[in-house]
Amino acid sequence: DVVMTQSPLSLPVTLGQPASISCRSSQGLVYSDGDTYLSWFQQRPGQSPRRLISKISNRDSGVPDRFSGSGSGTDFTLKISRVEAEDIGVYYCMQGTHWPRTFGQGTRLEIK
Amino acid sequence: EVQLLESGGGLVQPGGSLRLSCAASGFTFYTFAMSWVRQAPGKGLEWVSTLSNTGLTTYYADSVKGRFTIARSNSKNTLYLQMNSLRAEDTAIYYCARGANGPDYWGQGTLVTVSS
Repeated sequence: DVVMTQSPLSLPVTLGQPASISCRSSQGLVYSDGDTYLSWFQQRPGQSPRRLISKISNRDSGVPDRFSGSGSGTDFTLKISRVEAEDIGVYYCMQGTHWPRTFGQGTRLEIK
Repeated sequence: EVQLLESGGGLVQPGGSLRLSCAASGFTFYTFAMSWVRQAPGKGLEWVSTLSNTGLTTYYADSVKGRFTIARSNSKNTLYLQMNSLRAEDTAIYYCARGANGPDYWGQGTLVTVSS
């Protein structure tokens, strides 16, 4: 199975400051169609997960442009340019290239 | 508007069975693969199973293989998860989600509790 390793697992940030979450996969995530199926999800307290980013860097409709995804190969990053209060929650990366699908452990974003 | 509405969760004894349903609306159901993802209390997300749009191809996590069966009715726009031989470690919120490579829409989830 592909292991997805996120860091840090806890991320205290000051409102208005940037935040960055790393996700590393134990295998490359390029699929046979040439795409890399690495997604990022946000889960606010008490809510269902919400996809923010697909295929490394494609922001979903309605997702603020302060969220951005980057990376290649086995190293991927989610960045928030300026953290807002509504960004509090847990962030997960997920690989959708290999079976079984696997998620990272989650990174809890909290306000300092 | 895409909507996914799960139902069928509840309290069941170890070794028992439950069938979850996910009613889909707001999109052309038969053109999308569908997945189940679960979340144990206070824990992270765990992929459970995916079914192709035709219903012909299934994938399962090792933790549920042989015990759970995913199915769909494209005429009823509904996804199912038949769960047999339930264990305490199956206790979780079960989410229905659209897609196979990185689900773009998720339901609100249904809680399954396995306990005597």
